Amino acid sequence: EIVLTQSPATLSVSPGEGATLSCRASQSISSSLAWYQQRPGQPPRLLMYGVSTRATAIPARFSGSGSGTEFTLTISSLQSEDFAVYFCQQYKSWPSFGQGTRLEFK
Amino acid sequence: QVQLVESGGGVVLPGRSLRLSCAASGFIFRSYAMHWVRQGPGKGLEWVAVISYDGSNEFYADSVKGRFTISRDNSKNTLDLQMNSLRGDDTAIYYCARSENGYDHWYFDLRGRGTLVTVSS
Repeated sequence: EIVLTQSPATLSVSPGEGATLSCRASQSISSSLAWYQQRPGQPPRLLMYGVSTRATAIPARFSGSGSGTEFTLTISSLQSEDFAVYFCQQYKSWPSFGQGTRLEFK
Repeated sequence: QVQLVESGGGVVLPGRSLRLSCAASGFIFRSYAMHWVRQGPGKGLEWVAVISYDGSNEFYADSVKGRFTISRDNSKNTLDLQMNSLRGDDTAIYYCARSENGYDHWYFDLRGRGTLVTVSS
């Protein structure tokens, strides 16, 4: 089983600032990584797949990078709707998710 | 409208069974692999099961293997999850989700709003 560890658990940021979220895999997953955003009371929404390919209608302020075991989701100039929980997911093997990073207002 | 709509959740006693359904619309259902993913209360996400586009292959998470069965009817654009021998740790919101075919494309570009299953005495 591939374990994904996200950090930090909670990130406090002010609107307009940038945020960097990390995801580490317990073994190499090449580029088989996706990111999801989950707002309260809503299902997760696909943001990114293949590490850095934005899903449909995802704004360009979201970007992804990394390979192997270390990955990053960067959000530039945070908007109010970006404050949510973010999950990474690997699909190199049976799908598994990180435990999430909560992005909150500072 | 492209959407997935789950149904069938509820409160069930430990050891009992429940069947979830998911109705797909707005896309060519038979072209996609379909999954169930769950999220326990205040918890993260857990992949549960997948069925191939034509129903010929099924795979399960170890936590549900032998208790849950995934199935699909491409003539009706529906996906089901038969859950037997339910336990307290099966309590979760269950989402059906779509992915491209092939295990190296198992990220979920569409999912429903979920149906809540509560296993409690």
